[in-house]
Amino acid sequence: GAVVSQHPSRVICKSGTSVKIECRSLDFQATTMFWYRQFPKQSLMLMATSNEGSKATYEQGVEKDKFLINHASLTLSTLTVTSAHPEDSSFYICSASRMGTNEKLFFGSGTQLSVL
Amino acid sequence: GESVGLHLPTLSVQEGDNSIINCAYSNSASDYFIWYKQESGKGPQFIIDIRSNMDKRQGQRVTVLLNKTVKHLSLQIAATQPGDSAVYFCAENNLFTSGTYKYIFGTGTRLKVLA
Repeated sequence: GAVVSQHPSRVICKSGTSVKIECRSLDFQATTMFWYRQFPKQSLMLMATSNEGSKATYEQGVEKDKFLINHASLTLSTLTVTSAHPEDSSFYICSASRMGTNEKLFFGSGTQLSVL
Repeated sequence: GESVGLHLPTLSVQEGDNSIINCAYSNSASDYFIWYKQESGKGPQFIIDIRSNMDKRQGQRVTVLLNKTVKHLSLQIAATQPGDSAVYFCAENNLFTSGTYKYIFGTGTRLKVLA
């Protein structure tokens, strides 16, 4: 168990367009999901904490109007990169823990975003 | 600010030998830690975890050691195999009084297994 599905795995878009990334917990419920960003050969940087039924909590320096997060249900969180620019190109990864625990954080397979 | 760091960015190990990957953390209040393995282009894969009330935990071919006195964490991989080649991250759980939490990741160590 504890499978986190992320879609799409790869997306190429033009500058100025918006891209939506979905993160689903397939066999468990998650009130909290996390979105990370990773540049090549670097560690994971926490962007925001997605809370079911409430506003996301963004880390310092992350623009909330740029990276829209919606956690509409206990199994789905979405990240929308709005008005994408080439500098938004990165590997985005979501993660979640089972509801009721803050342990055993499981990750999706990631989304490679390339903005032309 | 608080951070979790690693001593060695790259570790090369002969196939069959044991690997030891280290991690230093700075938040003495952290009570839970996870080691992840990440292969190129994939999401991190859960390897093993440990709570702060333990100093050692063993899994299949892997052992995590926790030294709270010096805020140090290590991952030991026995009989390292080519399939172990990846980047390894330690992650530290920061739990807040509000009940919210987040994970902070170390800088990562690339493990290269030599044939």
